[in-house]
Amino acid sequence: EPEVTQTPSHQVTQMGQEVILRCVPISNHLYFYWYRQILGQKVEFLVSFYNNEISEKSEIFDDQFSVERPDGSNFTLKIRSTKLEDSAMYFCASSDLLIPRTGGNTEAFFGQGTRLTVV
Amino acid sequence: GIQVEQSPPDLILQEGANSTLRCNFSDSVNNLQWFHQNPWGQLINLFYIPSGTKQNGRLSATTVATERYSLLYISSSQTTDSGVYFCAVVMSGNKLVFGAGTILRVKS
Repeated sequence: EPEVTQTPSHQVTQMGQEVILRCVPISNHLYFYWYRQILGQKVEFLVSFYNNEISEKSEIFDDQFSVERPDGSNFTLKIRSTKLEDSAMYFCASSDLLIPRTGGNTEAFFGQGTRLTVV
Repeated sequence: GIQVEQSPPDLILQEGANSTLRCNFSDSVNNLQWFHQNPWGQLINLFYIPSGTKQNGRLSATTVATERYSLLYISSSQTTDSGVYFCAVVMSGNKLVFGAGTILRVKS
């Protein structure tokens, strides 16, 4: 069964360092997302990406964050200068349609997450 | 923005018991999904259910979109059902808005 894969599963970084979280979405999907979950809290939307550009971003997704689809399979989230409060589980997700214009399925599938710890 | 409320926040069951988890949402939605977050933190898709009823083994879900709620039923619970159950709704733009989750503990 197709799945979203994320690497690394766990990353520890020093405050102020840059990190890149990597994702391989499901191959025929067109819409990609990043979410994060601070320990013990709900899952929060960060950004959505379609056709090589950001579709929507939350207020959390400030200038420290960027996303990129460097090739036909990878989707990355970069945090330029990490802060302690960036420590969280980061989830990548993908779906094959936006709003179902023709009755299609917009179900989103999530990767296993990358646990980022900033020290 | 839309509010997604889940109840109960915590639930302890004896193995074999049945349970119902509820998700209320404050506005019309395009889609609703249920997830199980296992102890390793993975989000497992349970149901994609904008409306109607679906069943998958011991789990089933019903969404009544006109009344803005969804229910997740777990029958004959097992210890492996433990974890956090999230519902998430989709607004325009396809972003998912998650509820705070229900923490389920099934005791043997």
